Amino acid sequence: KAGVTQTPRYLIKTRGQQVTLSCSPISGHRSVSWYQQTPGQGLQFLFEYFSETQRNKGNFPGRFSGRQFSNSRSEMNVSTLELGDSALYLCASSLGQGRSRDTGELFFGEGSRLTVL
Amino acid sequence: GQQLNQSPQSMFIQEGEDVSMNCTSSSIFNTWLWYKQEPGEGPVLLIALYKAGELTSNGRLTAQFGITRKDSFLNISASIPSDVGIYFCAGQFYFGTGTSLTVIP
Repeated sequence: KAGVTQTPRYLIKTRGQQVTLSCSPISGHRSVSWYQQTPGQGLQFLFEYFSETQRNKGNFPGRFSGRQFSNSRSEMNVSTLELGDSALYLCASSLGQGRSRDTGELFFGEGSRLTVL
Repeated sequence: GQQLNQSPQSMFIQEGEDVSMNCTSSSIFNTWLWYKQEPGEGPVLLIALYKAGELTSNGRLTAQFGITRKDSFLNISASIPSDVGIYFCAGQFYFGTGTSLTVIP
């Protein structure tokens, strides 16, 4: 069974630009959640999508947005990039229903490493 | 967001030693999870705990869900070099600050 796939793996942007990251979940998983990982702040929850709807949201500004398609693939977008947005962005998938809806048993991709210059 | 405090922040131990780390939260969680992250990879789920007071093992790993539902600990027995990595506790989508483990052969 294929794992969670994130693209691109690495990218470099400059301040003020915008970026879109993509995540393909494990087949059959309908929940996709996104995280920002930095050395100083650890793993921070951005948002979770289930059946094309944002179901949970972390505490990030509106520059961070996401969406989910009918095939459960998800994208996240960061607009007006700032230097502090440099981070590893991780996507995780789960069944999203039944017990796993509340338990958060997540399967992570390898991440997209964003550098903002 | 939810605040999960994990300790210790880092550990350097000799191969064969036992390891203990814990996690506390300001909020109650219905589930506690422990993940391990190795360099260049995403976190991988190690153990999931579903009931207050529950003690669960997975090989050399043992984790407990605190009675108050605000804490959990993870023990690793007889550590080996491949245990190296960062260990995170988590409650649903919220993660602890991580414990970096180094095992010296």
